[in-house]
Amino acid sequence: EVQLAESGGGLVQPGGSLRLSCAASGFSFSSYYMHWVRQTPEKGLVWVARVNGDGTSIGYEDSVRGRFTVSRDNAKNTLYLQMSSLRVEDTAVYYCARSSRWSIYYFDNWGQGTLVTVSS
Amino acid sequence: SYVLTQPPSVSVAPGKTAKIPCMGDNIGSKSVHWYQQRPGQAPVVVVYDDRQRPSGIPERFAGSKSGNTATLSISGVEVGDEADYYCQVYDSSTDLYVFGTGATVTVL
Repeated sequence: EVQLAESGGGLVQPGGSLRLSCAASGFSFSSYYMHWVRQTPEKGLVWVARVNGDGTSIGYEDSVRGRFTVSRDNAKNTLYLQMSSLRVEDTAVYYCARSSRWSIYYFDNWGQGTLVTVSS
Repeated sequence: SYVLTQPPSVSVAPGKTAKIPCMGDNIGSKSVHWYQQRPGQAPVVVVYDDRQRPSGIPERFAGSKSGNTATLSISGVEVGDEADYYCQVYDSSTDLYVFGTGATVTVL
């Protein structure tokens, strides 16, 4: 069974940093593209970042490019999101999600999410 | 940037068919995917590549496209289908994954 478990969320002040982790199990982690998607009541679901199986191809949504860094450790079956220069508008539930094996263009499994609150 | 527009809410009586539209420019040239999100839970894909259903998703869920609109139809609606539904595409021109604004399905 595919399992994705996010951790690392919490309260952080504007301008601060936080690192999210997503522990994966039940599948060959290194064979799949992985993503971070965030959700707020106001904006709904917003894709944040993507990394391919070996970490050599990465993409970001415009508002986080230059502030967030996505990475993965295939030996540990873990996906990361390093967030810096955090803003109030980064407050959201952050999900890790897996792309399908046959199409990297949709998400076939999601974690339960971790809440990030940016506030003074 | 590419925008996908959905109505905020769709109401349907039990046993009837709910139709959830998703509107976007030239959406016919893109593959559309649909997610169901029940309150307090993570999204679950119910249709991918316009009209394909993952294993375990009932045949009651069906995707279609016409013109600039993709539609998720849920036939024989049940109370358990009450949820938020999001459409999603990949925009190759910007290398971005785009979600629709989301529609809440309410079973009357």
